[in-house]
Amino acid sequence: GIQVEQSPPDLILQEGANSTLRCNFSDSVNNLQWFHQNPWGQLINLFYIPSGTKQNGRLSATTVATERYSLLYISSSQTTDSGVYFCAARSYNTDKLIFGTGTRLQVFP
Amino acid sequence: DAGVIQSPRHEVTEMGQEVTLRCKPISGHDYLFWYRQTMMRGLELLIYFNNNVPIDDSGMPEDRFSAKMPNASFSTLKIQPSEPRDSAVYFCASSLISGRIMNEQFFGPGTRLTVL
Repeated sequence: GIQVEQSPPDLILQEGANSTLRCNFSDSVNNLQWFHQNPWGQLINLFYIPSGTKQNGRLSATTVATERYSLLYISSSQTTDSGVYFCAARSYNTDKLIFGTGTRLQVFP
Repeated sequence: DAGVIQSPRHEVTEMGQEVTLRCKPISGHDYLFWYRQTMMRGLELLIYFNNNVPIDDSGMPEDRFSAKMPNASFSTLKIQPSEPRDSAVYFCASSLISGRIMNEQFFGPGTRLTVL
C-alpha cells in the first residue's frame, strides 16, 4: 500500500518564525489532507489538497501530485500553533486514508 | 452542521468489563471509520463502513473488538472483555463519496479509554 513520510519529526520555533513541513507519498493520490492535533488531542482539518495550492490565513499548502509530495507552510507562528501536524493520503485503489507519523511542533513565546 | 459526535468523551473501566463507544457521523456521509491512537502505534484504522456495511475490518486487533452500524446515523465499537492494553484514544470519522472520489474525512473529538 501507499507509504506516507513526514519531515521533520520535531520542530521547535520561536513565536513569529516561519516553517515548512513536508509530506512524501509513494503512490498517486486522489486525497491528501493535512490535520493539526492540538494539545487537547482534537484532530482539526487544515487542508484537503490532492493537488494545487490553498491558503487559509497564516497557513498554506501545496501538493505537487506528479512529484508525490506536499508542503505545509506556517507563517508568523504563534504558540497556539503547537501540536502535531499529520499528513494523510489515499491512493486510487483504496478507501483508506494512510497517515504519516506526524511533525511535532512547539512554538515558544 | 454539528460535525462527528462521539460519546462518551472519557471512559474509565476495570479490566474484564464491557466497553461501548458510540459515534454519530455527519449527516449525509456514507463512509464511517473507526481509528485508535496510541503513543506506540500512532493512528491505526480499525474498521470502516460504507452505507452501513462493514467493508474492511482487518485492523480490528482481535475478537474482543466488534463494531456495528445499524443505521446511517449511528455506529458502535464494543470491547468485551476489555484489557489494560486497550487503553487509547478512539476516533470516529466520516466522509462522503462524490462519483468515484472520496471527499474530505472529518474526525470526531475522540473517546479517551482507560482500562485499569
